Amino acid sequence: AQSVSQHNHHVILSEAASLELGCNYSYGGTVNLFWYVQYPGQHLQLLLKYFSGDPLVKGIKGFEAEFIKSKFSFNLRKPSVQWSDTAEYFCAVTAMNRDDKIIFGKGTRLHILP
Amino acid sequence: DAGVIQSPRHEVTEMGQEVTLRCKPISGHDYLFWYRQTMMRGLELLIYFNNNVPIDDSGMPEDRFSAKMPNASFSTLKIQPSEPRDSAVYFCASRSTSGRGNEQFFGPGTRLTVL
Repeated sequence: AQSVSQHNHHVILSEAASLELGCNYSYGGTVNLFWYVQYPGQHLQLLLKYFSGDPLVKGIKGFEAEFIKSKFSFNLRKPSVQWSDTAEYFCAVTAMNRDDKIIFGKGTRLHILP
Repeated sequence: DAGVIQSPRHEVTEMGQEVTLRCKPISGHDYLFWYRQTMMRGLELLIYFNNNVPIDDSGMPEDRFSAKMPNASFSTLKIQPSEPRDSAVYFCASRSTSGRGNEQFFGPGTRLTVL
């Protein structure tokens, strides 16, 4: 069965610090990978996604993620965070070309200190 | 496109009452998902439909919960009778198999409080 593991439950950073949130998945086949963001009091929104091609994916608001197939990882990065990045971040995976549900990780709460 | 629409946005009810949450997926999307989010348990998938047919309801917590999708543009999640532990934010999401990458689009959620 597919599963997603997010290593950090809570992360606290100061503004301008660099960010890396870890995500590992468990699935033997070809996958689609996602990072969703949930700002306080809001719904989940897509931050970026990988489904083929360049393993370095760039998303909105300066975020990027790198798919490393050999490590089953899809870590999220941002070189310099802002206070407005305070949110919960969810990594998710689904089997490519299968009509199936997306498996979400448990989320990482990111708190940026002004 | 208006996106996924959910109603009501907030619901406060008393224990034992019936609660009905509503969702309108994005037009043309053939998958619909119901999620529940709490501080303790995080984001949980309750049930999902494909072409109005329930595919997997293994996440539905108990018989008090039921979901229907009578047509491609409408779904309901019903809790009867409601209990305080059902208090959560309930999200509906939809996606299309014709798009690339299987991206799900989430609605704004219904915040349910059961007193």
